Amino acid sequence: SAVISQKPSRDICQRGTSLTIQCQVDSQVTMMFWYRQQPGQSLTLIATANQGSEATYESGFVIDKFPISRPNLTFSTLTVSNMSPEDSSIYLCSVRGPLGYEQYFGPGTRLTVT
Amino acid sequence: RKEVEQDPGPFNVPEGATVAFNCTYSNSASQSFFWYRQDCRKEPKLLMSVYSSGNEDGRFTAQLNRASQYISLLIRDSKLSDSATYLCAVSTGNQFYFGTGTSLTVIP
Repeated sequence: SAVISQKPSRDICQRGTSLTIQCQVDSQVTMMFWYRQQPGQSLTLIATANQGSEATYESGFVIDKFPISRPNLTFSTLTVSNMSPEDSSIYLCSVRGPLGYEQYFGPGTRLTVT
Repeated sequence: RKEVEQDPGPFNVPEGATVAFNCTYSNSASQSFFWYRQDCRKEPKLLMSVYSSGNEDGRFTAQLNRASQYISLLIRDSKLSDSATYLCAVSTGNQFYFGTGTSLTVIP
C-alpha cells in the first residue's frame, strides 16, 4: 500500500484563523481524498482532489471554506478557513490502493479550534 | 436513510470469545465491501476486503449477503490486541461510505 504522510499531526488554533494541512504520498496517484472524522463519528468525505482540475466537493462542503490544492500527483493540501469550534475534528487524506477499489489513509491531523 | 448502518456497540467480550459485527448497506448497486480497524487516535487501516464467497484471514472471517444487503465480520478466539473500533465500508461507483464503527474491548 502507499505510504501517506500528513503535516501537521495536530494543532490548536484560534477561532477565525485558517490552517493548511499537507498530504504527501510516496507514489503517483490520480485521486486524493480528504475526509473529516468528528469525535465519535464516522468518516465524512469532504472532497476529491484531482491533479490538474478543480476539486470535487461533497454536499455540505464548499470551496471557500475548504480550499484544496493539488499541484502534482503526489501532493495535496486542504485549508480549513475561518475556523470555528465546530471544525474541531480529525482530517485525513486518503488514496486508492493498487487494486483501485480499496482506500488507505494518512495518519490524520487532529485539529482543535478554541 | 444512511448509506451504511452499523451497530456502534460497545462490545465487551472476554479473551477467547467469538464476536460478530454486522453492517447493512442501502444501495443494492454497491460493488465492493471492506472492514477497517481503527485504533484510538489513529487512522483507519484496511483489515480485509469482503468477497461474495466469503473470506477468511486467520481468526477473522468476513461474509457478504447481497440479498439482504449486509456484511459481517467474525472474530474467533479474541485477543486483547483486537480491542479497537471496526468500521465497515461500502464502495458504490467512485464513492466510499463508512459506517460509524463498532467499538470492541476484549477483557482479560
